[in-house]
Amino acid sequence: AQSVAQPEDQVNVAEGNPLTVKCTYSVSGNPYLFWYVQYPNRGLQFLLKYITGDNLVKGSYGFEAEFNKSQTSFHLKKPSALVSDSALYFCAVRDDGSGNTPLVFGKGTRLSVIA
Amino acid sequence: GAGVSQTPSNKVTEKGKYVELRCDPISGHTALYWYRQSLGQGPEFLIYFQGTGAADDSGLPNDRFFAVRPEGSVSTLKIQRTERGDSAVYLCASSPMTSGALGEQFFGPGTRLTVL
Repeated sequence: AQSVAQPEDQVNVAEGNPLTVKCTYSVSGNPYLFWYVQYPNRGLQFLLKYITGDNLVKGSYGFEAEFNKSQTSFHLKKPSALVSDSALYFCAVRDDGSGNTPLVFGKGTRLSVIA
Repeated sequence: GAGVSQTPSNKVTEKGKYVELRCDPISGHTALYWYRQSLGQGPEFLIYFQGTGAADDSGLPNDRFFAVRPEGSVSTLKIQRTERGDSAVYLCASSPMTSGALGEQFFGPGTRLTVL
């Protein structure tokens, strides 16, 4: 069975500082990994995904994530945080089975960027 | 273009009542998913359609929950004899067939269901 862990319920960072939101996963096959962001009263928005290839994936709004197979991690990063980055972030995984299989999500991490 | 839309945005009902939640996916997307997000949790899978048929309904919690997608586009999630524990945000997502397992899912804004 697939699972995702986001060990931090809340991450606080000062504006302009780098941010990291942690995610670890467990799948039986090769992982397909995703990050989504959720703003208040809005749907989940796709940020980036790792399928194969370079371990460092670049996505929307200056975010990037690093896939680490040995540590089964896919941490979300941004070099310089903005107040507007404050939101709820979800890591998700599916394995490399065929078809449009559902995503398994973590519990989410609330990011608060302080001016 | 238009994204995934869900109606109503909010639904308040009384325990024991029947509710229907509607999802309009992005035009041309053949895969449609329903998730449920409880307070402080990530979305949890309920059911997934490929075209008109339910490809996987293993996430439906019990037989009070049912979903249809009769023409392969709009989907309706139906909950009978609602219970207070059904209160959550119900999310719908769609994905194009060509993306397969590689593609992201596009989410709607959700329907917040409150059962009093």
